[in-house]
Amino acid sequence: AQKVTQAQTEISVVEKEDVTLDCVYETRDTTYYLFWYKQPPSGELVFLIRRNSFDEQNEISGRYSWNFQKSTSSFNFTITASQVVDSAVYFCALGNFNKFYFGSGTKLNVKP
Amino acid sequence: DTGVSQDPRHKITKRGQNVTFRCDPISEHNRLYWYRQTLGQGPEFLTYFQNEAQLEKSRLLSDRFSAERPKGSFSTLEIQRTEQGDSAMYLCASSLGSSGGSYQETQYFGPGTRLLVL
Repeated sequence: AQKVTQAQTEISVVEKEDVTLDCVYETRDTTYYLFWYKQPPSGELVFLIRRNSFDEQNEISGRYSWNFQKSTSSFNFTITASQVVDSAVYFCALGNFNKFYFGSGTKLNVKP
Repeated sequence: DTGVSQDPRHKITKRGQNVTFRCDPISEHNRLYWYRQTLGQGPEFLTYFQNEAQLEKSRLLSDRFSAERPKGSFSTLEIQRTEQGDSAMYLCASSLGSSGGSYQETQYFGPGTRLLVL
């Protein structure tokens, strides 16, 4: 069975704080892909990052960083020095064989 | 660079009516996907096309739902005899598929069609 769990339903931080969004996945496949998407109030899912199961190297892109740990089946997302524009719902997804399995999302509120 | 577009953005209908949504994928993308998203949940897979062939359908896609992609470009999703439980956001995504197997390319999403069934 394929499953993604985002245990944090909602997180509130004050601008400039760092925040980590957790993602835990389940799969029996040896090859799979993990994604993060951002969904602002407008509704469109915006692609942030894609990783395959063989690449556990952490990645940094500006204020965003991702920590992939196969041993704990986690793919966590950290925003450094958060900004009000980061306020959105963030989804983690597991993809394979043309199907995506999404978590239930974490709503991030960044207050000025 | 034109992204995925969907029309209409919002639809209000009465229970029992039929509705049709349209999705225009990114022009060079050969794969097209439909998802449904209810409030507070992540998107759930409904179906996907490779070119004009519908290759997989979720069991969420009841007999009242039908999707087409007649020329391998745009796609339509029709819901017949709508029910209040059909109220949701319907999302379309597209991707550029390459080889088969377990490779999974990135899916790019449209803005969605928000359906409300009264």
